[in-house]
Amino acid sequence: NAGVTQTPKFQVLKTGQSMTLQCAQDMNHNSMYWYRQDPGMGLRLIYYSASEGTTDKGEVPNGYNVSRLNKREFSLRLESAAPSQTSVYFCASSLIGSSYNEQFFGPGTRLTVL
Amino acid sequence: KQEVTQIPAALSVPEGENLVLNCSFTDSAIYNLQWFRQDPGKGLTSLLLIQSSQREQTSGRLNASLDKSSGRSTLYIAASQPGDSATYLCAVTGGGNKLTFGTGTQLKVEL
Repeated sequence: NAGVTQTPKFQVLKTGQSMTLQCAQDMNHNSMYWYRQDPGMGLRLIYYSASEGTTDKGEVPNGYNVSRLNKREFSLRLESAAPSQTSVYFCASSLIGSSYNEQFFGPGTRLTVL
Repeated sequence: KQEVTQIPAALSVPEGENLVLNCSFTDSAIYNLQWFRQDPGKGLTSLLLIQSSQREQTSGRLNASLDKSSGRSTLYIAASQPGDSATYLCAVTGGGNKLTFGTGTQLKVEL
């Protein structure tokens, strides 16, 4: 039981390049989330998927797209990376409808855009 | 819009001291409140989750309280140890099961 896994762990991009961050969970959770963490800003929600086949914008969605590939996997895509997207990205999952609705987080992807 | 504030931003204490971390939130319509620990360069580890109907939760040396009506939560750490050094994050769950995070308290426990 690996929990929430993310790939890659580190990435350096040049401005204008694209990339996809991958996230997978093996806890049979229905909901998945993407956050970014910046110094002094805390974690902010980018996009979330309440269930397979649905996605919704969070607080800071501009410049990102997501795909809920299946129940296990939720990817985040940067189409044209900008230096403002330098951040640490965390994926999380939860089971909506459970007693606690606790969110579990992956180890993060550290992205630098030059 | 929900806002979560954590005070203090940083705290340094000697080993063995009991300490309290504070979290406040502006909208009391929350589903639950979670306390997380984050070590440098690492992900988030969930420490305690308090449902909106509960007043407190305990796990080992940690005790978290929740006063929903006043928009406050505290995390009490008993007999602090150097291994407790980390950043502690508070987050509330609101509509759509979305978490709103505070900016954290960076704790250092010194020998």
